[in-house]
Amino acid sequence: QKEVEQNSGPLSVPEGAIASLNCTYSDRGSQSFFWYRQYSGKSPELIMFIYSNGDKEDGRFTAQLNKASQYVSLLIRDSQPSDSATYLCAVTSGTYKYIFGTGTRLKVLA
Amino acid sequence: ETGVTQSPTHLIKTRGQQVTLRCSSQSGHNTVSWYQQALGQGPQFIFQYYREEENGRGNFPPRFSGLQFPNYSSELNVNALELDDSALYLCASSPEGQGARGYTFGSGTRLTVV
Repeated sequence: QKEVEQNSGPLSVPEGAIASLNCTYSDRGSQSFFWYRQYSGKSPELIMFIYSNGDKEDGRFTAQLNKASQYVSLLIRDSQPSDSATYLCAVTSGTYKYIFGTGTRLKVLA
Repeated sequence: ETGVTQSPTHLIKTRGQQVTLRCSSQSGHNTVSWYQQALGQGPQFIFQYYREEENGRGNFPPRFSGLQFPNYSSELNVNALELDDSALYLCASSPEGQGARGYTFGSGTRLTVV
């Protein structure tokens, strides 16, 4: 059983639309949650982290966490073609280990 | 430029050989983790070092080993390479106590085992 699950996509959205990316996790003890963006052939880049229930906004990005439902999401407003990438959800396991999902591929259509 | 530098960028090795991958972190980043990312998969945790001691290990065999040095550099060594070891190897670091805020990844080393 996968510990962090994401829909592999691709998720296609038109330019200017809101992209909604979702992630579920199995470890109720997870304390911190992360969204990384990975362009093809590049390394992951941290976009946001969240550890409290609710929403956290940073520019065009909003992370949402619901620990009761073991669900994390990332909203990207005003999506741009440059947002086209794979988005990785990660959760902490213990104090030092990150568990990653397989990622959701996002395509923003110009 | 992330402040975490990995070398080499690409590497081709033959099955059964040994390989050493290197990572140089920013000053003060005394926690370093190594991850393996196979094609189409998310990164998988190999191990973590804190102040030159291994303090956590994922589900990888003993032929994967590491070192961390006082100058914030580290190494990942893989012995007896297998074809399935072909992957992107990522080094990630954070300042002390900041791991909960997200690691910074290096640019990675693409290892191909033939």
